[in-house]
Amino acid sequence: AQKVTQAQTEISVVEKEDVTLDCVYETRDTTYYLFWYKQPPSGELVFLIRRNSFDEQNEISGRYSWNFQKSTSSFNFTITASQVVDSAVYFCALSGEGSYIPTFGRGTSLIVHP
Amino acid sequence: ETGVTQSPTHLIKTRGQQVTLRCSSQSGHNTVSWYQQALGQGPQFIFQYYREEENGRGNFPPRFSGLQFPNYSSELNVNALELDDSALYLCASSLVAGAYNEQFFGPGTRLTVL
Repeated sequence: AQKVTQAQTEISVVEKEDVTLDCVYETRDTTYYLFWYKQPPSGELVFLIRRNSFDEQNEISGRYSWNFQKSTSSFNFTITASQVVDSAVYFCALSGEGSYIPTFGRGTSLIVHP
Repeated sequence: ETGVTQSPTHLIKTRGQQVTLRCSSQSGHNTVSWYQQALGQGPQFIFQYYREEENGRGNFPPRFSGLQFPNYSSELNVNALELDDSALYLCASSLVAGAYNEQFFGPGTRLTVL
């Protein structure tokens, strides 16, 4: 069985602060994929990143960075110098290779105050 | 390139009724997945369609059914509506089948069952 835990229900920061969203996962698959999605108030989920289980390199994309650590089964997401437009619910998701069923966490609501 | 569209945006039904939700996939995508997102929760996978065939199903009863058409658009049908069916229903399309590929989500249909 797969499980994704996002322990932070809501995070509130002031603009320009750095913020890290935590994601811890459980799976018995040796090959799996991890995702982060952003859900703004408009509702549609926006794909941010996919990482496979064999690639533990950290990734940076502009103000976004991801830290994947298999040893702790974590795939954390950091936003540097947060902006009001970053306010959204962020979901971490997991899928085993060959699976059609992704497992999403419950999401972390990020509120960035001006 | 047209994104994923869903209709209607909002819908109100009463218990016991039937509902049909519609989704047009992104141009060139032959795979459509449907998700149910209850308030404050992450999306739950309902099923996936690939080239007009159901390709995988989550833990949802048979009263949740779907169709995919030759143009790859899709319908989600829910019979005998229950109060707990109230949720945001999201459609996502992708280039290939499987849950480990990047998915493009529509804005969702908000269903309220009274």
